[in-house]
Amino acid sequence: EADIYQTPRYLVIGTGKKITLECSQTMGHDKMYWYQQDPGMELHLIHYSYGVNSTEKGDLSSESTVSRIRTEHFPLTLESARPSHTSQYLCASSDQGSAPYGYTFGSGTRLTVV
Amino acid sequence: KNQVEQSPQSLIILEGKNCTLQCNYTVSPFSNLRWYKQDTGRGPVSLTIMTFSENTKSNGRYTATLDADTKQSSLHITASQLSDSASYICVVSDRGSTLGRLYFGRGTQLTVWP
Repeated sequence: EADIYQTPRYLVIGTGKKITLECSQTMGHDKMYWYQQDPGMELHLIHYSYGVNSTEKGDLSSESTVSRIRTEHFPLTLESARPSHTSQYLCASSDQGSAPYGYTFGSGTRLTVV
Repeated sequence: KNQVEQSPQSLIILEGKNCTLQCNYTVSPFSNLRWYKQDTGRGPVSLTIMTFSENTKSNGRYTATLDADTKQSSLHITASQLSDSASYICVVSDRGSTLGRLYFGRGTQLTVWP
């Protein structure tokens, strides 16, 4: 049973619209991540957070922004969606226990911008 | 450059047969290697995690091996089932950062036919 939840699962939206992808986890993990994945390709890290009020950009340049006001919540926002943003977005979190850290993914949001 | 390469890119087998998926990596310094199963349109689910000192780990019909000297890993699936149809992703973590940076392969797309 998933302890990290993403909504919506699917989203089709018009160009220029503002959207927020939601991600919440109930495990109390401090570290959270957003990945972008295109079909048949590897996951690319676009944002991560070490904890509340901590956000950093990942390896893949993204026009999205994130916030971390609460430990359990890590939403991703696109101010003006474009067709190039069409992709699957995966949220993940990891614990602070002894290495190797547990790493849990959400089910993803499939975004289509038309 | 830290990389993770998987082979084959895709594989079709008949139900009940065994198969082996390969992963080669150049990530250094090595921390751990994970195998994930990702169903279409879903997030990855962890199958195994192996550290430097482990050379084999099983999870039901899934058995992963690790050769840290040659930087190779394999995932062996025994008595395949239709539900094994998915993408299998090899993920390697380094020891060089507090983030516990993950490097993802592109996955092997496995299809099990009845």
